[in-house]
Amino acid sequence: DIQMTQSPTSLAASVGESVTITCLASEDIYGSLVWYQQKPGKSPQLLIYGATILEDGIPSRFSGSGSDTQYSLKINSLQPEDFASYYCQNGLSTPFTFGSGTKLEIK
Amino acid sequence: EVQLVESGGGLVQPGRSMKLSCAASGFTFSDYYMAWVRQAPKKGLEWVASISYEGSSTYYGDSVKGRFTISRDNAKSTLYLQMNSLRSEDTATYYCARHGYYSAYYFDYWGQGVMVTVSS
Repeated sequence: DIQMTQSPTSLAASVGESVTITCLASEDIYGSLVWYQQKPGKSPQLLIYGATILEDGIPSRFSGSGSDTQYSLKINSLQPEDFASYYCQNGLSTPFTFGSGTKLEIK
Repeated sequence: EVQLVESGGGLVQPGRSMKLSCAASGFTFSDYYMAWVRQAPKKGLEWVASISYEGSSTYYGDSVKGRFTISRDNAKSTLYLQMNSLRSEDTATYYCARHGYYSAYYFDYWGQGVMVTVSS
């Protein structure tokens, strides 16, 4: 199974700042990396798939990058609604493993 | 508007069974793979199972293989998860999700989730 190691586990930042979350796959997933946002008490929301492709309706301050085993999610100019948990997911093959999540909190 | 509405959760004793349903609307159900993803309380996301368009192919996570069965009824636009031999570690919110694929297998729409509590 492909293991997804996400870091950091938690992160505190201020409105207007930029942050980066990273995800390391245990083997090459050939760009098949997916990012989700989840707010407390809500269902996850798809942000990015194929490592870099922004889902319709997602603000352009969100961006994804990476290849092979190393991937990142960058959020520019943080807005109050961006404070949530973020998960990466192996989108290459079953089992579709998720990272352990990053909780983004307001500083 | 795509909608996924889960039902059938609740409290169940260890070793017993439970069946979840997910009613889909707003899209052509038979055109999509579907999946179940769960989240234990205050924990991360765990993929449970996926099913192909007509239900001929199914895929399971190791933790539920042999105990859970995913199925679908395209005429009713409904996804199911039959859960047998339930354990305390199966306690979680179960989400129904629609599969997408473009450069990666992803879940583009999620239901609101249904809570399953396995306890005596």
